Amino acid sequence: DAKTTQPNSMESNEEEPVHLPCNHSTISGTDYIHWYRQLPSQGPEYVIHGLTSNVNNRMASLAIAEDRKSSTLILHRATLRDAAVYYCIRLLGGGSNYKLTFGKGTLLTVNP
Amino acid sequence: DAGITQSPRHKVTETGTPVTLRCHQTENHRYMYWYRQDPGHGLRLIHYSYGVKDTDKGEVSDGYSVSRSKTEDFLLTLESATSSQTSVYFCAISALAGGSNEQFFGPGTRLTVL
Repeated sequence: DAKTTQPNSMESNEEEPVHLPCNHSTISGTDYIHWYRQLPSQGPEYVIHGLTSNVNNRMASLAIAEDRKSSTLILHRATLRDAAVYYCIRLLGGGSNYKLTFGKGTLLTVNP
Repeated sequence: DAGITQSPRHKVTETGTPVTLRCHQTENHRYMYWYRQDPGHGLRLIHYSYGVKDTDKGEVSDGYSVSRSKTEDFLLTLESATSSQTSVYFCAISALAGGSNEQFFGPGTRLTVL
């Protein structure tokens, strides 16, 4: 079972950076780390993914520890629209894994 | 935003009636998925498709069937709806399978079985 561990909730202030941690201590060499988020009453939304190197896109940055046992999703300037549940997911790199296994995620609250 | 629509968006039905949910994509992606989301369970995969007429079961497939007769449409059918199938259903698509490929989700269908 490809488990990850995240805090149940975090709080941030608007326009401040947010660092969302994820522990995946049993990760194997071919597992990718994916982050999705889900805003209230919406479908999950892809945020970012990575394998070994840190990754940046227009939404966020992903910092992966050198031993790959943990990672951090970084929102550089939180906005009220970033309030959501954030899911950290491990996915096998091969073509045989088809499903995303969503845990409980981290509920991010952004204060104005 | 990925071009994924789901219909209907809301449905209330009675136990024992058949229900079909439709997922439509305009991205020409090969892979399509049906998930259900329930409090305390997160998202769980029901069925997925890896091409036209190619489908397979997910982890909670009992009571559900699917069909994919063309690339853009993936149908989920509840042959005889039960109250335990009250849920929010999400369709997702991806160009490829595997860990390096993201999935894009539709807006969801809220189904209530009375």
